[in-house]
Amino acid sequence: GESVGLHLPTLSVQEGDNSIINCAYSNSASDYFIWYKQESGKGPQFIIDIRSNMDKRQGQRVTVLLNKTVKHLSLQIAATQPGDSAVYFCAETLVLGSGNTGKLIFGQGTTLQVKP
Amino acid sequence: DTEVTQTPKHLVMGMTNKKSLKCEQHMGHRAMYWYKQKAKKPPELMFVYSYEKLSINESVPSRFSPECPNSSLLNLHLHALQPEDSALYLCASSRLYSSPADTQYFGPGTRLTVL
Repeated sequence: GESVGLHLPTLSVQEGDNSIINCAYSNSASDYFIWYKQESGKGPQFIIDIRSNMDKRQGQRVTVLLNKTVKHLSLQIAATQPGDSAVYFCAETLVLGSGNTGKLIFGQGTTLQVKP
Repeated sequence: DTEVTQTPKHLVMGMTNKKSLKCEQHMGHRAMYWYKQKAKKPPELMFVYSYEKLSINESVPSRFSPECPNSSLLNLHLHALQPEDSALYLCASSRLYSSPADTQYFGPGTRLTVL
């Protein structure tokens, strides 16, 4: 199928701990993966991306890991803060035919709750 | 500046009304998108415009009519909507629609309620 799914609908972590949000994708031909953060009342905000020729990419306090063998994507957030509380969506880009590209397929989302 | 703006923030309309949602970006992006997002669900693609031309229509009912008057503006005209059309409508833009690596930047959305 073309679905991108997340393992857990909700993740609760203590402030200061590391968070790991997981995502399974089904389209082995997908070339590009993105993590978005959506806070209440806002649109999705780009966090980090990774191409299929990479295993790992690091940003500021965030790391994305890609395991193509098992079609698994994860987002690690170091030293989680209250401001990290949001819904996190993974997304893959489905390459279409006829020169069209870039259709974004979102996973179901994981709500991250940070306890003070 | 990676800002996409949307107006209005909230809209309440009856099933016989005609209204429009507006989206604007000044990043020089040539691809613009409309998404629909129901509560606790991921965004679902509705339309894609590339160079002001409609590239993708995801079988959206004709009561939703998109328009791209220029490279910075995207409208969504609404007419004879149903209560089940109530949702958050998100606009996004990206540099181009020719590379999967072109990040889509989202606006804050318009919260639409159809009575």
